Amino acid sequence: GAGVSQSPSNKVTEKGKDVELRCDPISGHTALYWYRQSLGQGLEFLIYFQGNSAPDKSGLPSDRFSAERTGGSVSTLTIQRTQQEDSAVYLCASSLFGRGGTETQYFGPGTRLLVL
Amino acid sequence: AQTVTQSQPEMSVQEAETVTLSCTYDTSESDYYLFWYKQPPSRQMILVIRQEAYKQQNATENRFSVNFQKAAKSFSLKISDSQLGDAAMYFCAYGGSNYKLTFGKGTLLTVNP
Repeated sequence: GAGVSQSPSNKVTEKGKDVELRCDPISGHTALYWYRQSLGQGLEFLIYFQGNSAPDKSGLPSDRFSAERTGGSVSTLTIQRTQQEDSAVYLCASSLFGRGGTETQYFGPGTRLLVL
Repeated sequence: AQTVTQSQPEMSVQEAETVTLSCTYDTSESDYYLFWYKQPPSRQMILVIRQEAYKQQNATENRFSVNFQKAAKSFSLKISDSQLGDAAMYFCAYGGSNYKLTFGKGTLLTVNP
Protein backbone atom coordinates (compact mmCIF):
# COMPACT_ATOMS: atom_id res chain seq x y z
CA GLY A 1 0.00 0.00 0.00
CA ALA A 2 0.93 3.61 -0.32
CA GLY A 3 0.81 4.53 3.35
CA VAL A 4 1.64 3.19 6.79
CA SER A 5 -0.84 0.57 7.88
CA GLN A 6 -1.58 -0.65 11.40
CA SER A 7 -3.62 -3.51 12.78
CA PRO A 8 -5.87 -4.03 14.53
CA SER A 9 -7.69 -0.73 14.29
CA ASN A 10 -9.20 -1.25 17.72
CA LYS A 11 -8.37 -3.71 20.48
CA VAL A 12 -10.23 -4.37 23.70
CA THR A 13 -8.53 -6.59 26.24
CA GLU A 14 -8.75 -7.54 29.86
CA LYS A 15 -6.28 -6.39 32.44
CA GLY A 16 -3.37 -8.80 32.68
CA LYS A 17 -3.58 -10.10 29.12
CA ASP A 18 -0.86 -9.64 26.50
CA VAL A 19 -1.49 -7.74 23.26
CA GLU A 20 0.38 -7.39 19.98
CA LEU A 21 0.07 -4.36 17.73
CA ARG A 22 1.33 -4.47 14.17
CA CYS A 23 2.77 -1.78 11.91
CA ASP A 24 3.56 -2.05 8.22
CA PRO A 25 5.65 0.96 7.11
CA ILE A 26 5.80 2.61 3.72
CA SER A 27 7.76 0.42 1.33
CA GLY A 28 11.39 1.48 1.15
CA HIS A 29 11.36 3.49 4.37
CA THR A 30 14.32 2.57 6.54
CA ALA A 31 13.15 4.08 9.81
CA LEU A 32 10.16 3.17 11.93
CA TYR A 33 8.82 4.87 15.06
CA TRP A 34 6.19 4.06 17.67
CA TYR A 35 4.35 6.76 19.62
CA ARG A 36 1.61 6.59 22.23
CA GLN A 37 -1.22 9.11 22.36
CA SER A 38 -3.16 9.30 25.60
CA LEU A 39 -5.47 11.92 27.08
CA GLY A 40 -3.27 12.81 29.99
CA GLN A 41 0.16 12.62 28.36
CA GLY A 42 -0.38 13.74 24.78
CA LEU A 43 1.90 12.17 22.17
CA GLU A 44 4.91 10.32 23.56
CA PHE A 45 7.77 8.68 21.72
CA LEU A 46 8.21 4.99 22.52
CA ILE A 47 10.81 3.38 20.28
CA TYR A 48 12.78 3.91 17.06
CA PHE A 49 14.19 1.42 14.55
CA GLN A 50 16.74 2.34 11.87
CA GLY A 51 17.84 -0.32 9.44
CA ASN A 52 19.85 -3.04 11.17
CA SER A 53 20.97 -0.83 14.04
CA ALA A 54 20.00 -1.50 17.62
CA PRO A 55 16.68 0.20 18.35
CA ASP A 56 16.37 3.24 20.59
CA LYS A 57 14.08 1.99 23.35
CA SER A 58 14.46 5.03 25.56
CA GLY A 59 10.76 5.93 25.44
CA LEU A 60 9.34 2.57 26.50
CA PRO A 61 7.50 3.19 29.80
CA SER A 62 8.20 -0.16 31.44
CA ASP A 63 9.68 -3.59 30.81
CA ARG A 64 6.20 -4.83 29.96
CA PHE A 65 6.62 -3.07 26.62
CA SER A 66 8.77 -4.52 23.86
CA ALA A 67 9.00 -4.19 20.10
CA GLU A 68 10.69 -5.88 17.24
CA ARG A 69 11.12 -5.24 13.57
CA THR A 70 11.53 -8.22 11.29
CA GLY A 71 13.40 -8.03 8.01
CA GLY A 72 13.67 -4.27 8.23
CA SER A 73 9.97 -3.90 7.51
CA VAL A 74 7.01 -4.93 9.65
CA SER A 75 7.14 -4.11 13.35
CA THR A 76 5.23 -5.54 16.30
CA LEU A 77 4.74 -3.73 19.59
CA THR A 78 3.96 -6.14 22.43
CA ILE A 79 2.49 -5.15 25.77
CA GLN A 80 2.58 -7.86 28.42
CA ARG A 81 0.27 -8.04 31.42
CA THR A 82 -1.69 -5.01 30.26
CA GLN A 83 -2.80 -2.40 32.78
CA GLN A 84 -5.63 0.10 32.52
CA GLU A 85 -3.13 2.94 32.16
CA ASP A 86 -1.94 1.32 28.92
CA SER A 87 -5.22 2.37 27.30
CA ALA A 88 -4.29 4.78 24.52
CA VAL A 89 -3.89 5.13 20.78
CA TYR A 90 -0.64 3.62 19.55
CA LEU A 91 0.68 5.34 16.45
CA CYS A 92 3.35 4.06 14.11
CA ALA A 93 5.32 6.24 11.71
CA SER A 94 8.01 5.68 9.11
CA SER A 95 10.53 7.85 7.33
CA LEU A 96 12.74 7.33 4.32
CA PHE A 97 16.29 7.83 5.54
CA GLY A 98 16.00 7.71 9.29
CA ARG A 99 17.28 11.19 9.90
CA GLY A 100 14.87 11.37 12.76
CA GLY A 101 13.54 14.73 13.65
CA THR A 102 14.86 16.54 10.59
CA GLU A 103 12.91 14.33 8.23
CA THR A 104 9.17 14.04 7.69
CA GLN A 105 7.58 11.12 9.50
CA TYR A 106 4.48 9.59 7.94
CA PHE A 107 1.94 8.17 10.34
CA GLY A 108 -0.45 5.25 10.26
CA PRO A 109 -4.06 5.41 11.47
CA GLY A 110 -3.17 4.03 14.87
CA THR A 111 -4.49 1.23 17.06
CA ARG A 112 -6.86 2.22 19.83
CA LEU A 113 -6.23 -0.02 22.83
CA LEU A 114 -8.74 -0.27 25.66
CA VAL A 115 -7.81 -2.27 28.74
CA LEU A 116 -10.78 -3.18 30.89
CA ALA B 1 15.20 18.91 26.32
CA GLN B 2 12.96 20.46 23.74
CA THR B 3 9.44 21.57 24.59
CA VAL B 4 6.52 22.59 22.40
CA THR B 5 3.64 24.68 23.69
CA GLN B 6 0.28 25.21 22.06
CA SER B 7 -1.56 27.73 24.21
CA GLN B 8 -4.95 27.40 22.51
CA PRO B 9 -6.71 24.15 23.44
CA GLU B 10 -9.65 25.03 21.17
CA MET B 11 -10.30 27.46 18.34
CA SER B 12 -13.26 28.08 16.08
CA VAL B 13 -13.60 29.81 12.73
CA GLN B 14 -16.36 30.56 10.29
CA GLU B 15 -16.23 28.83 6.96
CA ALA B 16 -14.25 30.89 4.39
CA GLU B 17 -12.55 32.97 7.06
CA THR B 18 -8.95 32.89 8.28
CA VAL B 19 -7.66 31.45 11.54
CA THR B 20 -4.21 31.37 13.12
CA LEU B 21 -3.04 28.63 15.48
CA SER B 22 -0.17 29.43 17.82
CA CYS B 23 2.88 27.38 18.72
CA THR B 24 6.03 28.21 20.64
CA TYR B 25 8.99 25.97 21.29
CA ASP B 26 12.17 25.89 23.26
CA THR B 27 15.47 24.49 22.02
CA SER B 28 19.19 25.11 22.14
CA GLU B 29 19.76 23.50 18.75
CA SER B 30 20.38 25.56 15.63
CA ASP B 31 19.38 22.95 13.04
CA TYR B 32 15.86 21.61 13.34
CA TYR B 33 12.55 21.24 11.58
CA LEU B 34 9.08 22.28 12.66
CA PHE B 35 5.89 20.59 11.58
CA TRP B 36 2.16 21.04 11.71
CA TYR B 37 0.14 17.83 11.64
CA LYS B 38 -3.62 17.51 11.35
CA GLN B 39 -5.49 14.70 13.08
CA PRO B 40 -9.14 14.30 12.06
CA PRO B 41 -11.48 11.91 13.93
CA SER B 42 -10.12 9.08 11.78
CA ARG B 43 -6.94 9.38 13.93
CA GLN B 44 -4.64 9.53 10.88
CA MET B 45 -1.93 12.13 11.49
CA ILE B 46 -1.54 14.06 8.25
CA LEU B 47 1.36 16.38 7.56
CA VAL B 48 0.08 19.87 6.79
CA ILE B 49 3.30 21.84 6.42
CA ARG B 50 6.91 21.82 7.52
CA GLN B 51 9.58 24.45 7.99
CA GLU B 52 13.34 24.04 8.03
CA ALA B 53 14.88 26.30 10.65
CA TYR B 54 17.71 27.44 8.38
CA LYS B 55 15.24 28.83 5.84
CA GLN B 56 14.12 32.38 6.44
CA GLN B 57 11.24 32.18 4.02
CA ASN B 58 7.97 31.04 5.54
CA ALA B 59 6.60 27.77 4.16
CA THR B 60 3.32 27.80 2.24
CA GLU B 61 1.10 24.95 1.05
CA ASN B 62 -2.00 26.19 -0.76
CA ARG B 63 -4.31 27.66 1.92
CA PHE B 64 -1.86 26.86 4.73
CA SER B 65 1.06 29.08 5.63
CA VAL B 66 3.29 29.57 8.63
CA ASN B 67 4.77 32.56 10.39
CA PHE B 68 8.16 31.33 11.58
CA GLN B 69 9.94 33.66 13.99
CA LYS B 70 13.19 31.91 14.86
CA ALA B 71 14.45 34.40 17.40
CA ALA B 72 11.14 34.36 19.23
CA LYS B 73 10.88 30.58 18.84
CA SER B 74 7.39 30.96 17.43
CA PHE B 75 5.76 28.91 14.67
CA SER B 76 2.13 29.77 13.97
CA LEU B 77 -0.13 28.21 11.34
CA LYS B 78 -2.50 30.33 9.28
CA ILE B 79 -5.40 28.67 7.51
CA SER B 80 -7.02 30.85 4.87
CA ASP B 81 -10.47 30.36 3.36
CA SER B 82 -11.31 27.76 6.01
CA GLN B 83 -13.28 24.74 4.87
CA LEU B 84 -15.43 22.28 6.80
CA GLY B 85 -12.85 19.60 6.08
CA ASP B 86 -10.24 21.58 8.00
CA ALA B 87 -11.95 20.72 11.27
CA ALA B 88 -9.54 18.54 13.24
CA MET B 89 -6.97 18.49 16.01
CA TYR B 90 -3.80 20.29 14.95
CA PHE B 91 -0.44 19.41 16.46
CA CYS B 92 2.73 21.44 16.30
CA ALA B 93 5.86 19.27 16.41
CA TYR B 94 9.60 19.81 16.75
CA GLY B 95 12.19 17.59 15.08
CA GLY B 96 15.83 17.98 15.95
CA SER B 97 19.00 16.00 16.33
CA ASN B 98 17.45 12.97 17.97
CA TYR B 99 15.01 10.58 16.41
CA LYS B 100 11.79 11.54 17.97
CA LEU B 101 9.32 14.29 17.29
CA THR B 102 8.24 16.37 20.26
CA PHE B 103 4.59 17.37 20.05
CA GLY B 104 2.49 20.07 21.60
CA LYS B 105 -0.77 19.19 23.33
CA GLY B 106 -2.80 20.13 20.27
CA THR B 107 -5.46 22.66 19.26
CA LEU B 108 -8.95 21.47 18.41
CA LEU B 109 -10.23 23.50 15.44
CA THR B 110 -13.95 23.76 14.79
CA VAL B 111 -15.19 25.18 11.48
CA ASN B 112 -18.68 26.65 11.60
CA PRO B 113 -20.80 26.69 8.43
